[in-house]
Amino acid sequence: KNEVEQSPQNLTAQEGEFITINCSYSVGISALHWLQQHPGGGIVSLFMLSSGKKKHGRLIATINIQEKHSSLHITASHPRDSAVYICAVSEYGNKLVFGAGTILRVKS
Amino acid sequence: DTAVSQTPKYLVTQMGNDKSIKCEQNLGHDTMYWYKQDSKKFLKIMFSYNNKELIINETVPNRFSPKSPDKAHLNLHINSLELGDSAVYFCASSPYNSPLHFGNGTRLTVT
Repeated sequence: KNEVEQSPQNLTAQEGEFITINCSYSVGISALHWLQQHPGGGIVSLFMLSSGKKKHGRLIATINIQEKHSSLHITASHPRDSAVYICAVSEYGNKLVFGAGTILRVKS
Repeated sequence: DTAVSQTPKYLVTQMGNDKSIKCEQNLGHDTMYWYKQDSKKFLKIMFSYNNKELIINETVPNRFSPKSPDKAHLNLHINSLELGDSAVYFCASSPYNSPLHFGNGTRLTVT
């Protein structure tokens, strides 16, 4: 069992829908990261958080340290949001352990 | 442009060869990393350097050797390439305990 579990593995949504991707982890962490990998392959860091909630545009990330759970929400989804979303946790420093990713497809 | 740049983007080679992937960052970050993404898109850390000093060395065959000539460069040398080494290799950099900036990846295909 991976230390970082993401759900769902695949997600198809209609444009405009509210999307939630979940991440659960089993180890003590210093921070949790959400990354986005586009079909072209490049990886972009979306959020790094250790408590509470962060918002950037239509993206919101939350974390519950006690429950060892984080969610990534996308409001008013758009086809350009189609990508792989990866959750990763830092056990110490920036030694990241990654989830398997969630493949999101937003249809117009 | 400020970025993490890695070369080459694609690398096709035969089993048994020795190859290198280069990575440079001009973001002034102290820490650089190599990650491997397998055919199932699963990412794993391989190495991390902080100010030219190796700080993370995961269970990676010793055919893989990172070299950091200065804190802006972290190159990856791979000796005696095997079929199982085929993957996408990502370089990244960051200040300590901060979000990572990734290179665009090098797709290595060993035939």
